Amino acid sequence: KNEVEQSPQNLTAQEGEFITINCSYSVGISALHWLQQHPGGGIVSLFMLSSGKKKHGRLIATINIQEKHSSLHITASHPRDSAVYICAVGRDRDDKIIFGKGTRLHILP
Amino acid sequence: GAGVSQSPSNKVTEKGKDVELRCDPISGHTALYWYRQSLGQGLEFLIYFQGNSAPDKSGLPSDRFSAERTGGSVSTLTIQRTQQEDSAVYLCASSWGYQRRYNEQFFGPGTRLTVL
Repeated sequence: KNEVEQSPQNLTAQEGEFITINCSYSVGISALHWLQQHPGGGIVSLFMLSSGKKKHGRLIATINIQEKHSSLHITASHPRDSAVYICAVGRDRDDKIIFGKGTRLHILP
Repeated sequence: GAGVSQSPSNKVTEKGKDVELRCDPISGHTALYWYRQSLGQGLEFLIYFQGNSAPDKSGLPSDRFSAERTGGSVSTLTIQRTQQEDSAVYLCASSWGYQRRYNEQFFGPGTRLTVL
């Protein structure tokens, strides 16, 4: 079983819809990261969080340490949000970064 | 430069040849990471450099892979006797500070390696 699991693997939605991507992990962590990777492009760090909630523009990330779960929400989704969203955790026993397999999001105009 | 840069952006090589991939981190970043992303797979940690400390090589898939970081800045990842399964995008990232758990990583654009 992977230490970091994301769902869904693929998501297609209409422009304007509220999007939720989930991440569950099975190890003790020091921090959780959400990354964005556009097709053919590089990776951008969206959030790094260890508790609670963070918001940046239309993006919101939450984490529940007790349940070992995080969600990334996108409000008023737009075609330019189409990308792969990757959850990654910093494993607390050795600080290694463990990545989920990503969620491919496609927003239709 | 403003961000992490990598070169070349694309590399096509023949099986059995050696390749060198280069990473220029953000100026002042003490931590540097190499990752690999194979087609359809997630990101895989390869190696981590922090300042002058010995690198964490635990993610290197075989002894054909090696990396060095000269002067605490530029890093090269070398793959000897390349195999077709080495084909992937190799990503470099850098971050501030001495505790990687707390530091946001900035990623380069990657080098797409194709081994024929």
